Amino acid sequence: DVKVTQSSRYLVKRTGEKVFLECVQDMDHENMFWYRQDPGLGLRLIYFSYDVKMKEKGDIPEGYSVSREKKERFSLILESASTNQTSMYLCASSLADRGYSYNSPLHFGNGTRLTVT
Amino acid sequence: RKEVEQDPGPFNVPEGATVAFNCTYSNSASQSFFWYRQDCRKEPKLLMSVYSSGNEDGRFTAQLNRASQYISLLIRDSKLSDSATYLCVVNPRAAGGFKTIFGAGTRLFVKA
Repeated sequence: DVKVTQSSRYLVKRTGEKVFLECVQDMDHENMFWYRQDPGLGLRLIYFSYDVKMKEKGDIPEGYSVSREKKERFSLILESASTNQTSMYLCASSLADRGYSYNSPLHFGNGTRLTVT
Repeated sequence: RKEVEQDPGPFNVPEGATVAFNCTYSNSASQSFFWYRQDCRKEPKLLMSVYSSGNEDGRFTAQLNRASQYISLLIRDSKLSDSATYLCVVNPRAAGGFKTIFGAGTRLFVKA
């Protein structure tokens, strides 16, 4: 069974702090994703990566960066946390099928609830 | 218009009822479709993939209508444990890669 592990379940940070959210998957998946989920807005894609050292912007990348130095690990970085980044952050991974991942379902970690004060 | 639209609900149904959700999508090039379930304050989990021929998994049936660009989820004999938010997911083929689009979800409450 696929396991996607997020390092923290709950985080409280102050405005202006640099925040690191870590995600590790154990199924050798090529693709990894970071989403945030807010009431009424659903899941919104921040960044994704389809290979080591590769990254692509999602729909809302502003204020975030990512790092993928190893296949199993995808980190989300908030360079200078702001109160509007208070949210549930969800990491996911999926298998790439012959270079196209659109047929592969996503497997999610259990989320990090970040509060920025 | 949103790329994937769902009725947010909530749907309030008694145990044993049959309930159906629809989800419409705007991109006719969409290639694959899924239903996810999300419990309160938990992560989304894959419920089932949706195939062109339709598919069934126990009490759950998923259908795809490409001509009208919608997918549906039917839950028969609802259980209390079916109470959750159901997310429709569409993967359109995108140049240079892929894109997964989530609907905002439909909330279901099953009551005794």
